[in-house]
Amino acid sequence: QVQLKESGPGLVKPSETLSLTCTVSGGSIGTYYWTWLRQSPGKGLEWIGFIYDTENTNYSPSLKSRVTMSADTSRNQFSLNLRALTAADTAVYYCARDPDVAVPGAMGSFDIWGQGIMVTVSS
Amino acid sequence: DIQMTQSPSSVSASVGDSVTITCRASQGISNWLAWYQQKPGKAPQLLIYAASTLHTGVPPRFSGSGSGTDFTLNIVSLQPEDFATYYCQQAYSFPRTFGRGTKVEIK
Repeated sequence: QVQLKESGPGLVKPSETLSLTCTVSGGSIGTYYWTWLRQSPGKGLEWIGFIYDTENTNYSPSLKSRVTMSADTSRNQFSLNLRALTAADTAVYYCARDPDVAVPGAMGSFDIWGQGIMVTVSS
Repeated sequence: DIQMTQSPSSVSASVGDSVTITCRASQGISNWLAWYQQKPGKAPQLLIYAASTLHTGVPPRFSGSGSGTDFTLNIVSLQPEDFATYYCQQAYSFPRTFGRGTKVEIK
């Protein structure tokens, strides 16, 4: 079955850029909405955005100015870059799959999640 | 953004009890609603999508209902593994948004 796993640094300094990668195993990236979310005590679960078909993206308006997502089909990976970090970006970051039409009626929900990666923004 | 409001924020129950969690959207979302279960240190897991469709492998003691702005998640005959935090999420528009969660605790 398809599994996701996040990788990247656990500690990043303020003003720097966070780069996370999600590796998809057990299946190909194909045409799904590959999504990044995060969770913090202060903001709860927050949708960051998705990348679809390697080049189509949609980002949360609150983060759009600082976010870039990309995908590498040869490596079966997709990535998140979040710039100009502050302490407010400290959270557990998850990658997840929106199944789109693969699961009729489930478009917009998230049926597969990575285990999450804790990212702390601190000097 | 569509605001999702869950209630209660926490509920205490015993094994075998039934629990009802409500979720209200700030505007109509038809049936574009999902429910998740999250246990400490783990990622959320999809329980229900399209307001009432159980995801693969989810036991039938879970059920969802509602349309428009008001939704409910019902759990009957609570099992020990059901003590967790539950979230609703709207899948109607971007950005996707979640409720703040309902923690189901052991009484």
